[in-house]
This record gives sequence, structure tokens and C-alpha cells, in this order.
Amino acid sequence: AQSVAQPEDQVNVAEGNPLTVKCTYSVSGNPYLFWYVQYPNRGLQFLLKYITGDNLVKGSYGFEAEFNKSQTSFHLKKPSALVSDSALYFCAVRDYGGATNKLIFGTGTLLAVQP
Amino acid sequence: DTGVSQDPRHKITKRGQNVTFRCDPISEHNRLYWYRQTLGQGPEFLTYFQNEAQLEKSRLLSDRFSAERPKGSFSTLEIQRTEQGDSAMYLCASSPGGATEQYFGPGTRLTVT
Repeated sequence: AQSVAQPEDQVNVAEGNPLTVKCTYSVSGNPYLFWYVQYPNRGLQFLLKYITGDNLVKGSYGFEAEFNKSQTSFHLKKPSALVSDSALYFCAVRDYGGATNKLIFGTGTLLAVQP
Repeated sequence: DTGVSQDPRHKITKRGQNVTFRCDPISEHNRLYWYRQTLGQGPEFLTYFQNEAQLEKSRLLSDRFSAERPKGSFSTLEIQRTEQGDSAMYLCASSPGGATEQYFGPGTRLTVT
């Protein structure tokens, strides 16, 4: 069964510093991987996805993610954090069972950016 | 705004009552998903529609839950005889056929007292 793991419940970073939010995956085939962000009392906003191709994927709001097949990781990164980046971040993988394209989410990582 | 919309945004109900939520997907998106998110967890898949056909239901969707998408546009999720364990955020998402990312609505937060 497909799954993703987010090993950190919370990541703290100072504004202006680089940030990394970690995600590892377990899939039976080629992974389709996603990052979403959730602000308080809001739905999830799509940030970026990896399907195939370049291992470095660029997304919204200056975020990027690095796909590493040997380490089965898909870490989210940003060169310079903003206070407004503080939110809950979810990694997800597309489930291969059936044709639904349903997503399997990690438990989320709370990013706190201090001014 | 042409994003996914959900109504109501918040619902407080007493145990045993029935509730119904509505989702309006992005226009022309033929794929519609319902997820449930509890505190401290990521969203969990509930059910999937392609046009008006309900093609998959999770084991999380007990007999008290029913979902419809009668004309392949908006969808409703009904919970009968609500229980306190049903308290959660119910999220709707849509995507166009062939795409992989899903676009989420703001969610309906259900509190069962």
C-alpha cells in the first residue's frame, strides 16, 4: 500500500533562513507526489507535484521540492522563509488502487517562521 | 472566485441528528472527491465521483454516510444519526479528467454535541 511519512510534527525557522519540510514515501511503482499547504480554518492549497522528469520541482510562492529516488524522499524547500509561510504542510502520494487518483496524505508538519 | 465551494462552513448538531453538506466543484471538473480530516491528522479519502457515478467508497464511509452527485455537477454528503466521532472537517476536492492534482474547497467543520 502507498504511504507517506512526515517525521517532524513541527519545524521552526527564523525569517530569512532556508527551510526544509521532510517527507518520505513508500509506493509499489513510480510515485506521483504532492505538497499542499493549509492555513487555519481553510482548505488545502496545491503547492507542487512530482510526476516524472527533473528531480527538482518548482511550485507556488517560491517553494520547491527535491525528489530523491534512492532515499525515497520528497522534501519541501524554500531558500528564504517568510513569516507568512507559517502554516500546516502536507505531503501526499497518489494511490495506485483503482482509477480514482485519490490522495494519501501524511500527518502534516506545522511550520513556524519567527520574525 | 471560481474555486471549489462548500456549504455550510460550520455545522453544530446534536448526536442523533442528520446533516447534509454541499460541494460545488470547479466548473467542468468531472472528478469529485470527499475527504475527512480530524485534528492532528491529514485528510482521509471517503468517496470519489466521476461525473455522476460514485466509483469508490472508503471503508471509513459507514452505512450512515451517503453521497450523491445527481447531475455530475454539485455533490452532497449526508450523515444520518450523527455520532460524536463524526466531528471533523469534511473536505471536497475536484479535478479535471486526466489531471492529477486536486483542488480543495474550504471545508465544512462538523461538531457533534
